[in-house]
Amino acid sequence: DAKTTQPNSMESNEEEPVHLPCNHSTISGTDYIHWYRQLPSQGPEYVIHGLTSNVNNRMASLAIAEDRKSSTLILHRATLRDAAVYYCISDDNYGQNFVFGPGTRLSVLP
Amino acid sequence: DVKVTQSSRYLVKRTGEKVFLECVQDMDHENMFWYRQDPGLGLRLIYFSYDVKMKEKGDIPEGYSVSREKKERFSLILESASTNQTSMYLCASRTETGLRSNQPQHFGDGTRLSIL
Repeated sequence: DAKTTQPNSMESNEEEPVHLPCNHSTISGTDYIHWYRQLPSQGPEYVIHGLTSNVNNRMASLAIAEDRKSSTLILHRATLRDAAVYYCISDDNYGQNFVFGPGTRLSVLP
Repeated sequence: DVKVTQSSRYLVKRTGEKVFLECVQDMDHENMFWYRQDPGLGLRLIYFSYDVKMKEKGDIPEGYSVSREKKERFSLILESASTNQTSMYLCASRTETGLRSNQPQHFGDGTRLSIL
C-alpha cells in the first residue's frame, strides 16, 4: 500500500496562497493522488486528484513532482471557509485501498 | 451534485443492541463504502461493496456486517453493539465508470454513534 505523509498543521493568512505538501515516496506508477478536505462536523469533501500531470479545478490546483514521490495542493487565495483538515491519499489500481492518514489541519487567519 | 445521505446524524444505543446505519446515494454509483473515524486514527475502512449483493471486508470488519440489496442503499449493521464501537461512521459512494482509482469518493455527513 502506498502511504502518504503530511505536516500535522499549517497556518495561512486570509487571501494568501497556501501550499499543502504531501510525500508519497512508495507510490506505484498507476496510483492516483487524491486530495480531500473535511470541515468541522462534515464528511470529507473531494478537492482534486491526478496521476502525472498538474491539475486545476475551481477549488484548487495540484502540482505533482516529476518523480511522483510528492505533490502539493495549492489554494490560490485562502478564505476562512478553507479552514479544514486536508487529506492526501494515494489510491491503488484496484481503487479499493483508500487509506486516510491524519491529514494537515489548516488554520486561516483573518 | 452527488448526494449521499446517512439516515441519522446522531444515534445513541445500548450495549448488546443490534444497530442499523443506513446510507443512500442518488447517483446510481456502483461502489459504496463504510468507514469509521476516530480521533488520532483517521478514517478506517470497515466494508465496501462493488455492486448490488457484493461485499468485501475492509481493514476493520470485526463486529460489523453489511447489506446491499439495492444499488442505492448500503447498510452497516452492528450485530451486538459494544462501547468500543462508539465512533463517527461515514458512508461514501463512487462510480465505476472507467478506472476505479480515477474516480473520487463522495461522502455523507456522517452518523455520530454512541454506545452506552
